[in-house]
Amino acid sequence: EAQVTQNPRYLITVTGKKLTVTCSQNMNHEYMSWYRQDPGLGLRQIYYSMNVEVTDKGDVPEGYKVSRKEKRNFPLILESPSPNQTSLYFCASGSLRGQGIWETQYFGPGTRLLVL
Amino acid sequence: GIQVEQSPPDLILQEGANSTLRCNFSDSVNNLQWFHQNPWGQLINLFYIPSGTKQNGRLSATTVATERYSLLYISSSQTTDSGVYFCAVGRSTSYGKLTFGQGTILTVHP
Repeated sequence: EAQVTQNPRYLITVTGKKLTVTCSQNMNHEYMSWYRQDPGLGLRQIYYSMNVEVTDKGDVPEGYKVSRKEKRNFPLILESPSPNQTSLYFCASGSLRGQGIWETQYFGPGTRLLVL
Repeated sequence: GIQVEQSPPDLILQEGANSTLRCNFSDSVNNLQWFHQNPWGQLINLFYIPSGTKQNGRLSATTVATERYSLLYISSSQTTDSGVYFCAVGRSTSYGKLTFGQGTILTVHP
């Protein structure tokens, strides 16, 4: 089954304690991306990756790190989480048929993070 | 950065009605996508439509890139169409970067 998985699904942590949210896809997609969703602010892109070892900033990258060492995984790292990073996080992957033609993006189920 | 505005912010329909959702953007784009988030939070990509018209069942979308807007049409709406509809756009200079609109909350009553 084609899917994007995220772990953990729910996480409560404290300010300053480093954490990693994992994202994995089994569709051999080149493109992967992280978004956060907050009430009243909609969805905002954090980081994206066009392929292995290629990452770039979205609209709200501050306080986050990513890496793309292999095609299937795209972890999101919060080195020193703060309460303003409390949010619902989505990972997505997609296939690009050349520069300009997208296939469907598939989303993970979301990770709800609370930073105290 | 690019600005994306969606209208209306909220829409309430009776089952069977048709609706049109609009997405305006402030700059030329070559990536425009529509998404649906159901009431349980699941996000689904509906269309990739930087220009032209596409149809998928009861849903269709049209983008007029020169006038910087896109429309999502929902015909014969069903309760399962309820949720939030987002459009997102991106430029050729930063192809994978997507900026989202605030969304339209659609409620379809039986």
